[in-house]
Amino acid sequence: DAKTTQPTSMDCAEGRAANLPCNHSTISGNEYVYWYRQIHSQGPQYIIHGLKNNETNEMASLIITEDRKSSTLILPHATLRDTAVYYCIVRGPPGGSNYKLTFGKGTLLTVNP
Amino acid sequence: DAGVTQSPTHLIKTRGQHVTLRCSPISGHKSVSWYQQVLGQGPQFIFQYYEKEERGRGNFPDRFSARQFPNYSSELNVNALLLGDSALYLCASSLWGLTTDTQYFGPGTRLTVL
Repeated sequence: DAKTTQPTSMDCAEGRAANLPCNHSTISGNEYVYWYRQIHSQGPQYIIHGLKNNETNEMASLIITEDRKSSTLILPHATLRDTAVYYCIVRGPPGGSNYKLTFGKGTLLTVNP
Repeated sequence: DAGVTQSPTHLIKTRGQHVTLRCSPISGHKSVSWYQQVLGQGPQFIFQYYEKEERGRGNFPDRFSARQFPNYSSELNVNALLLGDSALYLCASSLWGLTTDTQYFGPGTRLTVL
């Protein structure tokens, strides 16, 4: 079972920031938070991951709370092409029992014009 | 650089048949994982291979099997197909061995069982 909880759906206006929350209250010290997204019927696309520090790349920013029990994915300027299902995944180190990606149902983000 | 490639893109089979799906990882990646995604659900882990050895297996029946070749490509085989095997089958590749070993997905193979 997925170790994360996400809202089922969210809406965002085009050009505004999209903030997607994720709860992972049972996360262990060596487990990372990964974010993927999936546009209809395509393979999941890697977005970003982090352990405890905030992370930023060309696609998004990841904010992890100090207690690591929740995180927020931020798309700074959402476009219509960002409409997708966003998955938050907690994952352990290579070789461990939690190394595989365990997907939940994710959050359907709809960006409106 | 080419990403993960999968073949075929679409496939139609009938109940009881078997199917072989193929995956080529990103150049330099030595680990391949397989996932099944049925309509309306998130992908579910089936297998992970590294250096031709199975390193993880999900909760799937023995009808599902896989192997990895010396060039790190992989095949997923499903025997005695059932209607419920209709799904998008995804392959992901990664380097393996790093503490942050990101998996990159291919476009998937859409299998329809009639």
